[in-house]
Order: sequence, then structure tokens, then C-alpha cells
Amino acid sequence: DAGVIQSPRHEVTEMGQEVTLRCKPISGHDYLFWYRQTMMRGLELLIYFNNNVPIDDSGMPEDRFSAKMPNASFSTLKIQPSEPRDSAVYFCASRKGGSDYEQYFGPGTRLTVT
Amino acid sequence: AQSVTQLDSQVPVFEEAPVELRCNYSSSVSVYLFWYVQYPNQGLQLLLKYLSGSTLVKGINGFEAEFNKSQTSFHLRKPSVHISDTAEYFCARAAGNKLTFGGGTRVLVKP
Repeated sequence: DAGVIQSPRHEVTEMGQEVTLRCKPISGHDYLFWYRQTMMRGLELLIYFNNNVPIDDSGMPEDRFSAKMPNASFSTLKIQPSEPRDSAVYFCASRKGGSDYEQYFGPGTRLTVT
Repeated sequence: AQSVTQLDSQVPVFEEAPVELRCNYSSSVSVYLFWYVQYPNQGLQLLLKYLSGSTLVKGINGFEAEFNKSQTSFHLRKPSVHISDTAEYFCARAAGNKLTFGGGTRVLVKP
């Protein structure tokens, strides 16, 4: 299996621009998680999906952030408009439902907003 | 709220020396615990996990952890570290369908 795939790996954009991060979970996994990692705040859960349905978005910072999962093999995290404080590494993770809670992480997208 | 505390933000250690990374969790009826490692510019990778059974858990790369219910701890150990163990290590616990992570411990292995 290729593991969790994220694109792009690096993104540099100007303040005010729209940014879209993409994630392909491991086939057969029915949970998908979006995290943000910064030096100041560490690793934060933004939102997670189960069977393509958003379950908990309490970690989404504000209305500028939105996430979708149109099908079992694809999810997007969109920031519109982007701000310099959104600069971070964004991780996607997935896991299979059941009693084992292990999550498998993608390599991350490093976002820089200038 | 269920929480995870990693007591050391940084741990410098010499090559071939032992290392212990401390993790404490808030008590709960059932506890599922994990240690992840993050190498520079990479995602998180599972080292080991405790779901039930033996309290001594062995993981990849020579790491092990011991679940201690009375002390609500899940410390990670390695008897002899390598330069390649330089990374950040995260303790986590399952909370519902989510994982709650500690703040991370940066391990710097010196030659």
C-alpha cells in the first residue's frame, strides 16, 4: 500500500490567496483526520470524517477553513483567504474502524503564507 | 478532558547511552496509548501501542514502553540510542475516535 498521500508537499502563497490541500487515505480506511502542526501550538486536530461524513470540526480555527470528503479516497482542506498565521505543516491521517485506534499519517504539506 | 503530558520538551543524549521519555495520562477506565516518532520533515510513524494485555510493550527500532496504571504513566525507553534516533517523539491516547497528543519530546543524539 502506498500509505496516506498528500499534495502538494510544499505550498508558498501570498496572503489573501486561496489554498487547497489534498489527501488520499489508505484504501479501506473509513476515518480521515486533518491536523495542523506549529511550533507554538504543537499538533492540533482540525477535523475528522467517518465514512466521508464530518464528525467533529471543533478544531477548525475559523470560517476561513473548510474541509470536504466527496468520496472515500479523497479529501481537501481549503483556506480562503489565507493569512500568514496559517503557516504550518498540515497532516492528513487515516485509520480503519474498529477497536484499534492506530492512525497512519501522511508526509504533510508545509504551507507558507507571505 | 482526557489529557497527555510529556514532561520533557527536549532530551539530549549521547550515542549508545540509554534514553527514557516520560509520558503521563489522565486516568480513565479504559486506556489505549501510543508512541509516535517524527523524523525531520516527515510525518508521524507509529513506534508502539498499548491496547491491553502485557504492560511491557515492544516496538520498532528497539524501543519499548511500560504501561503503569497506578502511576498513570507510559514511559518510552531504549537501552542504546543511535544517531538516527534523533527525532521528535509523541505520546498519545485514544479519546473516543480521536487521538490526544502530548506536546512532544525532541531527542538529540550526540556522537
